[in-house]
This record gives sequence, structure tokens and C-alpha cells, in this order.
Amino acid sequence: DGGITQSPKYLFRKEGQNVTLSCEQNLNHDAMYWYRQDPGQGLRLIYYSQIVNDFQKGDIAEGYSVSREKKESFPLTVTSAQKNPTAFYLCASMGANTEAFFGQGTRLTVV
Amino acid sequence: RKEVEQDPGPFNVPEGATVAFNCTYSNSASQSFFWYRQDCRKEPKLLMSVYSSGNEDGRFTAQLNRASQYISLLIRDSKLSDSATYLCVVPYSGAGSYQLTFGKGTKLSVIP
Repeated sequence: DGGITQSPKYLFRKEGQNVTLSCEQNLNHDAMYWYRQDPGQGLRLIYYSQIVNDFQKGDIAEGYSVSREKKESFPLTVTSAQKNPTAFYLCASMGANTEAFFGQGTRLTVV
Repeated sequence: RKEVEQDPGPFNVPEGATVAFNCTYSNSASQSFFWYRQDCRKEPKLLMSVYSSGNEDGRFTAQLNRASQYISLLIRDSKLSDSATYLCVVPYSGAGSYQLTFGKGTKLSVIP
């Protein structure tokens, strides 16, 4: 079955640690996106990539980094520079003239 | 600046009621629009796409008013299972990029 998979579902981070969230899709989509959602809030764009080896900052990129070495994969690293990382992180992919498909999300908590 | 505005609600309606949400957008060049449904602590899932004046799927009707730059979602005969947050999504295309702008969502609670 085609789809988009995020892992892990739950992640705990200690202060000062970098953590990486995985996002993989087998839908052959060119575009991939990372969003952050805080309780009771909408989705805010962190980074997006339209094509392999290229990515752009979204509205809240500070403290995050990404890579796009393969079409299928768009991992997000939450660095120690992100001072308030506790949130629900959603990865999405989109093909030409299609809607966005979302992974199941990763819930990150700082302990 | 690309913006999508929604009434956050909550809308508390009894079962069987008809409820409508509106969404206004600022990017007049947008050609397609989406309504997503998001359940608590879950990912958003596509409810309806709107490419022309509107779309209908069972109890759900989406309408587009390009002149006034708003999209509406009408839910007829509300069910308990319709309780969720409804997100309006407007694609934005410019400077070689294609992004999705999300509204903050409208929360619906259908009450027995």
C-alpha cells in the first residue's frame, strides 16, 4: 500500500539533545513538508522541499534542520537551539495536482 | 502575505442539525482549495477538494466564492462522529514554490 510513514510516534528529548524525526513516503511525490502543531493551534510550516537535494525554510525554521537526499525521505532534526520543541510534528507529501497526504505524526516531549 | 482565516468555534450543535463553516483567504490566485478533518491527537485527513464553484459528497457540501474569496463547508444531518476540527487549506504558488496554507481550524462538537 502506498502511503507516508512517520516514526517514532512518541519521542522524548532531554534538554540540549538533538533528535531526528523520520518521514518516508512511497507515493512518488516530489514535494514534502514538515509542520508543527501546538495544542489548540493550527499547523505552522517548518521546512519544505519541492525536489531532491533542495529545501526551503518555512515560517518557523529556527532551531530545525532537514535534508532531502532521496525522493522518499525527508527527515527533520530538532536541534538544541529550538527552545520550545514540545509539540506534535506532522510530515506531508504532495504530488502534482493532488491533495496533501499526512503521516500519523510524531509527538515530541522535552523531559 | 498569504492568509487563511477561520472561525475557531467551538460550534456545539445537536445531532441532526445543519452547520456551516466559512473560510476566507487572501491569495486571489489560488485555484484549488481543500477541507481537511482532524480528530484529536491525529493527523489531518482530506474531507473534500474544491476546484470550481463547489463540490458535494453525501451530507457534505463545499462552496467557493471567488469574488469574495471565501470557501464554505456545509454539514447536513450532523452525526456524533462528525465531531472534529475542520481545517481549511489553500495552496499558495509563487517564486517557484508550492505551499499549503492552513487555517487554524474550526472545532465542531455534535451533541446527543
